[in-house]
Amino acid sequence: NAGVTQTPKFQVLKTGQSMTLQCAQDMNHEYMSWYRQDPGMGLRLIHYSVGAGITDQGEVPNGYNVSRSTTEDFPLRLLSAAPSQTSVYFCASSYQAGFTGELFFGEGSRLTVL
Amino acid sequence: AQTVTQSQPEMSVQEAETVTLSCTYDTSESNYYLFWYKQPPSRQMILVIRQEAYKQQNATENRFSVNFQKAAKSFSLKISDSQLGDTAMYFCAFMKHSSATNKLIFGTGTLLAVQP
Repeated sequence: NAGVTQTPKFQVLKTGQSMTLQCAQDMNHEYMSWYRQDPGMGLRLIHYSVGAGITDQGEVPNGYNVSRSTTEDFPLRLLSAAPSQTSVYFCASSYQAGFTGELFFGEGSRLTVL
Repeated sequence: AQTVTQSQPEMSVQEAETVTLSCTYDTSESNYYLFWYKQPPSRQMILVIRQEAYKQQNATENRFSVNFQKAAKSFSLKISDSQLGDTAMYFCAFMKHSSATNKLIFGTGTLLAVQP
């Protein structure tokens, strides 16, 4: 039971570098999302997708891009990393949007931008 | 806009005792869902318990139960017979019913330490 898999688990970047955080789920979930977790602020929604080919912005989308070419994968791209993007990133999925059952989370990716 | 407030940044409890974590929220919605998530040192976010606002009965999952007071907009988590494995950060979260975004609004968390 892989569930939601995130890679890498740790990454250090220099300001201005680009990278992609990978997220894959094997539960055939239509809905996928990215959150960031900062100290003292809980988790905040960055982007989400309600199905392949459909994405939309969450609460804090600036500096991040996403795409959803398949049901399984939902990568998060940082085009030009900034120190303010130092955070722990979580990918989460559920059966579909509007379904208020369990949201399944990955194990998180800790990103440090120097 | 919805907000979730957890006023206890840290708590400590002795093994086998009972502890209650507080959560209040603000919303103008009449139908919604409330959740408690556990985040152990491994960072994995684990759903502990879920409450539907239209249900008056408080949710229970083994040693975990909630006290849901809709009028007071309060949603506390009670952990009975605390175990060392309960040591974690606990987050209270809110979701609108039939939300098109499935967006969870999280509180800032309560760090619970279970002492042997």
